[in-house]
Amino acid sequence: GDSVTQMEGPVTLSEEAFLTINCTYTATGYPSLFWYVQYPGEGLQLLLKATKADDKGSNKGFEATYRKETTSFHLEKGSVQVSDSAVYFCALSDRGSGNTPLVFGKGTRLSVIA
Amino acid sequence: DGGITQSPKYLFRKEGQNVTLSCEQNLNHDAMYWYRQDPGQGLRLIYYSQIVNDFQKGDIAEGYSVSREKKESFPLTVTSAQKNPTAFYLCASTLAFSGANVLTFGAGSRLTVL
Repeated sequence: GDSVTQMEGPVTLSEEAFLTINCTYTATGYPSLFWYVQYPGEGLQLLLKATKADDKGSNKGFEATYRKETTSFHLEKGSVQVSDSAVYFCALSDRGSGNTPLVFGKGTRLSVIA
Repeated sequence: DGGITQSPKYLFRKEGQNVTLSCEQNLNHDAMYWYRQDPGQGLRLIYYSQIVNDFQKGDIAEGYSVSREKKESFPLTVTSAQKNPTAFYLCASTLAFSGANVLTFGAGSRLTVL
C-alpha cells in the first residue's frame, strides 16, 4: 500500500540555521504531496503542497519539490526561526488509486533555539 | 470565521466507560475524518465520512463508532472495547472527498483513561 517515510526527530537547530526534513514515499498511482505543520497544542494546518512531478510548493519561507525520479518531497528552509518549532508531517494522496484519505508520515519534531 | 470545533479539549475516562468526542464544522464541507495521534506514530485514520448517513472504517476502527446524521457534525464514540484509548484525537474535513483537497483540522481532544 501507499506509505510515507520521514526522517526521525527530534531535530534541534539554532536560529538562522538551514533546515532539511527528508520525506520519501511509495505510491501505486500519481500522488499529490503535502506538508502539514502542527504547533504545540493545536491541530495540523497545511504548510505547502505539490500535485505533479517537478512542482515546487512554497510558503512562509519553506519549500519542497516533488521529485518523481527519487520519490521524494524534502522540506527545506534557508533560515529557521524559534517560531518554526513544531511537528512537521509529510503526507500523500494517491489519486491513481481513486479517492482515498491522506496517508501521513510519523512526523518530525523541530526545535529551534535562540 | 469558518472552522472546526472539537469538544471537549480534555477528557478523562474511567476504564469501562464509553465517551463521545464532538466535532462540528461550519465550512459546508462534505467529507469528515477522525484521526488518532500517538507519540512517535503520526496520525492514524479511525473513520471517515464522504456524505451524510455514510461512513467507512479507517485503519484502526476497532473499539470506535461514529455517526453522520448532519453534514456539519461527525461525533466519535470511544467504546469500552478500545483497549488503549489514551491519545490525542483530531477531527478534519475537506470540501469534497478527494485526496487532492486540503484537510482542515480542529484543535484536537486529548483523552486520558484513569
